[in-house]
Amino acid sequence: KNEVEQSPQNLTAQEGEFITINCSYSVGISALHWLQQHPGGGIVSLFMLSSGKKKHGRLIATINIQEKHSSLHITASHPRDSAVYICAVRPGGTSYGKLTFGQGTILTVHP
Amino acid sequence: DTEVTQTPKHLVMGMTNKKSLKCEQHMGHRAMYWYKQKAKKPPELMFVYSYEKLSINESVPSRFSPECPNSSLLNLHLHALQPEDSALYLCASSQDGDQQGRVNTEAFFGQGTRLTVV
Repeated sequence: KNEVEQSPQNLTAQEGEFITINCSYSVGISALHWLQQHPGGGIVSLFMLSSGKKKHGRLIATINIQEKHSSLHITASHPRDSAVYICAVRPGGTSYGKLTFGQGTILTVHP
Repeated sequence: DTEVTQTPKHLVMGMTNKKSLKCEQHMGHRAMYWYKQKAKKPPELMFVYSYEKLSINESVPSRFSPECPNSSLLNLHLHALQPEDSALYLCASSQDGDQQGRVNTEAFFGQGTRLTVV
């Protein structure tokens, strides 16, 4: 079993829909990252969380440390949101930002 | 400037060639990383530099040789690669700097170098 599990693996939505991507992890962590990667491209950091909730534009990320679970929400989804969304955790006590990655969720938003 | 810049964007090399990938950041970050990403897989950590010293080598073959000439630059020297080394190579940086690494800071990634070994 992977230390970081994301669901769903693939997600298709219509433009305007509310989208949720989930991430569960099995280790103690010091931080959790949500990352976005467009096809063939580099990675953009969306959020880094260690507790609570963060919002940036149409994106909202929440984390529940006790339940070892995080969600990424996209409100009013748009075709340009189509990308791979990756959850990555920094295991507690790990030095130098070594991240453990989930397998990613492929999001496709149709117009 | 919150960018990590990688060059070149694309590279095709033969198995006998020697080439280098370059990564640059001007955010004052003291930790820099090389990741390798195969298609449809998450990134895999290769190397970590902290304060210009190699701190983590994830059992990477010696045909990959990292170098950190100063706090802003990170190179990956390539020699005698195999076709299975073809992948997207990502550089990242973060503010992490203390030996215990307990500072929770965001990682910034570059756009990657798409490497094809023929």
